[in-house]
Amino acid sequence: DTAVSQTPKYLVTQMGNDKSIKCEQNLGHDTMYWYKQDSKKFLKIMFSYNNKELIINETVPNRFSPKSPDKAHLNLHINSLELGDSAVYFCASSHRGSEETQYFGPGTRLLVL
Amino acid sequence: AQSVSQHNHHVILSEAASLELGCNYSYGGTVNLFWYVQYPGQHLQLLLKYFSGDPLVKGIKGFEAEFIKSKFSFNLRKPSVQWSDTAEYFCAVTTMNRDDKIIFGKGTRLHILP
Repeated sequence: DTAVSQTPKYLVTQMGNDKSIKCEQNLGHDTMYWYKQDSKKFLKIMFSYNNKELIINETVPNRFSPKSPDKAHLNLHINSLELGDSAVYFCASSHRGSEETQYFGPGTRLLVL
Repeated sequence: AQSVSQHNHHVILSEAASLELGCNYSYGGTVNLFWYVQYPGQHLQLLLKYFSGDPLVKGIKGFEAEFIKSKFSFNLRKPSVQWSDTAEYFCAVTTMNRDDKIIFGKGTRLHILP
């Protein structure tokens, strides 16, 4: 009965590789998000999708590409991984509208060697 | 652009001490305010939130926060902390703007000594 799930939980990879992180929510929410939490624990929004439509796209390198096959899924694909991409990536979901609480996934810890 | 400041980066307290973590935001319009907690090795969880109404908000685990509009503040309090409160605490704000972006503070690491 997990609300927001992410896979994998940990990801260790070499520089230059391409990797994907998957996110799924079973809350019936129509909006999903990707956040990056860097080594200093600062959380920064990366992307937001509403009903499969991109609504927030912060200044993120083009190597990062979100993909939303349906409302319940928002995957994050990263090309040509760099050392600076090492961080914890959190997926979240909510109903549309700023009044709605966001529910976070457990996070994916990415380590680029 | 709106921002959130958490002035205490690292707080160390003994059990049973009282806690107050500061949070200030910069935005002139209507805001929604949140405190999230991240226990060691776990994901973010919502502690409490303020949307409107009574500015004193009670959350889970004995936490409360007070919204003071004139001071642009939303400080988190707990009268008596426990060792299990050791965690990272994040203040966050959203506005009524269309993009609905949530802005987090940099977090306060709370360490409770047994």
